[in-house]
Amino acid sequence: EDQVTQSPEALRLQEGESSSLNCSYTVSGLRGLFWYRQDPGKGPEFLFTLYSAGEEKEKERLKATLTKKESFLHITAPKPEDSATYLCAVRRNNNDMRFGAGTRLTVKP
Amino acid sequence: DVKVTQSSRYLVKRTGEKVFLECVQDMDHENMFWYRQDPGLGLRLIYFSYDVKMKEKGDIPEGYSVSREKKERFSLILESASTNQTSMYLCASSFPRTHTTYEQYFGPGTRLTVT
Repeated sequence: EDQVTQSPEALRLQEGESSSLNCSYTVSGLRGLFWYRQDPGKGPEFLFTLYSAGEEKEKERLKATLTKKESFLHITAPKPEDSATYLCAVRRNNNDMRFGAGTRLTVKP
Repeated sequence: DVKVTQSSRYLVKRTGEKVFLECVQDMDHENMFWYRQDPGLGLRLIYFSYDVKMKEKGDIPEGYSVSREKKERFSLILESASTNQTSMYLCASSFPRTHTTYEQYFGPGTRLTVT
């Protein structure tokens, strides 16, 4: 069965303390891995798409990487405004998406 | 910018009521989706549609139906609301499966409470 697992469930960082979020997946026929950011009470906001192992994408303090079994979202020198829930999703062979449960990130000043 | 709007941010309904959730997108996207989001479970796909009048079941379609009469509008219907349908409902849209980019764009969500 297709699965997407994100870890940790929650992460608390001090401002400036870099870290990584993990998304591991078992899916037949991966056709893309997506990262989203979700603020409380809002819909998810698209961040990145990765299509093949070895691919990397960057946006401000965020960098996403992809291997054959997992993706990492690296956060460098985070700021309080980076606090949010980060969701990972995979596009499957039948073209719909399966989402992980998310990692809730809190960055303290 | 893609804009996906949902008819209500908050909704309170009684058990057994028929509930309509409306979603409208302005980007001429072929695909539209309905998810529910519950703590610890993430987003789960209820139904999606890849064209007008077309629909496909997602992972948890039981107790729901959908309608897509126009390309920009996708409705989720709870025929007889139950308390276990209390949740955050999210609508999304995207380009078609043949498009090079397939990211989904989400609306703000409707928090539905069934009492």
